[in-house]
Amino acid sequence: EVQLVQSGAEVKKPGESLKISCKGSGYSFTSSWIGWVRQMPGKGLEWMGIIYPGDSDTRYSPSFQGQVTFSADKSISTAYLQWSSLKASDTATYYCARVGSGLGSWGQGTLVTVSS
Amino acid sequence: EIVLTQSPGTLSLSPGERATLSCRASQSVSSNYLAWYQQKPGQAPRLLIYGASSRATGIPDRFSGSGSGTDFTLTISRLEPEDFAVYYCQQYGSSFAFGPGTKVDIK
Repeated sequence: EVQLVQSGAEVKKPGESLKISCKGSGYSFTSSWIGWVRQMPGKGLEWMGIIYPGDSDTRYSPSFQGQVTFSADKSISTAYLQWSSLKASDTATYYCARVGSGLGSWGQGTLVTVSS
Repeated sequence: EIVLTQSPGTLSLSPGERATLSCRASQSVSSNYLAWYQQKPGQAPRLLIYGASSRATGIPDRFSGSGSGTDFTLTISRLEPEDFAVYYCQQYGSSFAFGPGTKVDIK
């Protein structure tokens, strides 16, 4: 069974850094793209971009280019989403998903709250 | 960049009724790489349809997708109580993008 398990909820202050994780299992982690999706409170789904864990090739949505960084450690089948300096507007639930014909498997989401 | 619009924004129906949701793209979606997702409160989205008309594993056959080019439709033939949710379309042919969603609520 394909599973993506994300790290737990985070509460941070503006300006702090953060790295959240997404661990894959049940499939070849290095052979599928992983996508990241943002959902702000009460809002719709926003596409952030993708990473290929096999070689860490990354593609960012223009709206998120320069705002976040994707990375992956294929030795532990884990993808990461990180911020160097959080803003209040980064408050949202972040999902990872396996990219195939659509996004067939999703993580449970990580709620990130940024507040002073 | 392809922009997706969905209509209506909210659809109020009763259990047993038919739901027809529309997704329109600003330009043609290559190879009909169009997917539909269902999301319930507090849950991650679930893939329903990919390739415009193929049901994902385990999806009941009351869900069907159709369309090509720039116009796509998700049809729920008879609404069950568990189908009341928000539905998103997504294109994955040229980069990726989600539509704004259609909420199906109980009339």
